[in-house]
Amino acid sequence: NAGVMQNPRHLVRRRGQEARLRCSPMKGHSHVYWYRQLPEEGLKFMVYLQKENIIDESGMPKERFSAEFPKEGPSILRIQQVVRGDSAAYFCASSLASSTDTQYFGPGTRLTVL
Amino acid sequence: GQNIDQPTEMTATEGAIVQINCTYQTSGFNGLFWYQQHAGEAPTFLSYNVLDGLEEKGRFSSFLSRSKGYSYLLLKELQMKDSASYLCAVQTGANNLFFGTGTRLTVIP
Repeated sequence: NAGVMQNPRHLVRRRGQEARLRCSPMKGHSHVYWYRQLPEEGLKFMVYLQKENIIDESGMPKERFSAEFPKEGPSILRIQQVVRGDSAAYFCASSLASSTDTQYFGPGTRLTVL
Repeated sequence: GQNIDQPTEMTATEGAIVQINCTYQTSGFNGLFWYQQHAGEAPTFLSYNVLDGLEEKGRFSSFLSRSKGYSYLLLKELQMKDSASYLCAVQTGANNLFFGTGTRLTVIP
């Protein structure tokens, strides 16, 4: 049973470009979460989605950041007009049936903004 | 505000026992999780406590006291591969995990 998959594992962008991060949850999981981890800091919650719905985006910056989890296909975290401060590891997690179930994490996407 | 406190770094000897403490103040509580994270890798689930007491799983045990806002992770018979960061996280009343900054454990021969 494949775990949570994320791609790309490493992404380099220049300031002003767009970054698209993809996450495929574990098989059978319908709840997806995105977290950001800055160097030497803890994981910070960004957004929680179910299929076709954003449930909680309280941790996501209001500008430049968006997330979706379409009926078909992976969840996408999109960062427009990236800045150097967006450089971080972005982790996706999924859970089975509710937000109180155990969250299993993917390997992360390391975004570097030049 | 919300806060989770863990020691930043710990060192222990191979074969020994180490206890990693975590204290928390959060706006809600639906359970406490411990994750292990090796450098550059995904956090992997270790344990979950929602009721007071000790949960044992092989070489790892986790304890919770909700009245004290306190948990610890106990690692026995340490192995070199246990060198990693250990993350304490609280499932708050909302839909997400609130993480501490993690404890970096170094196991020495």
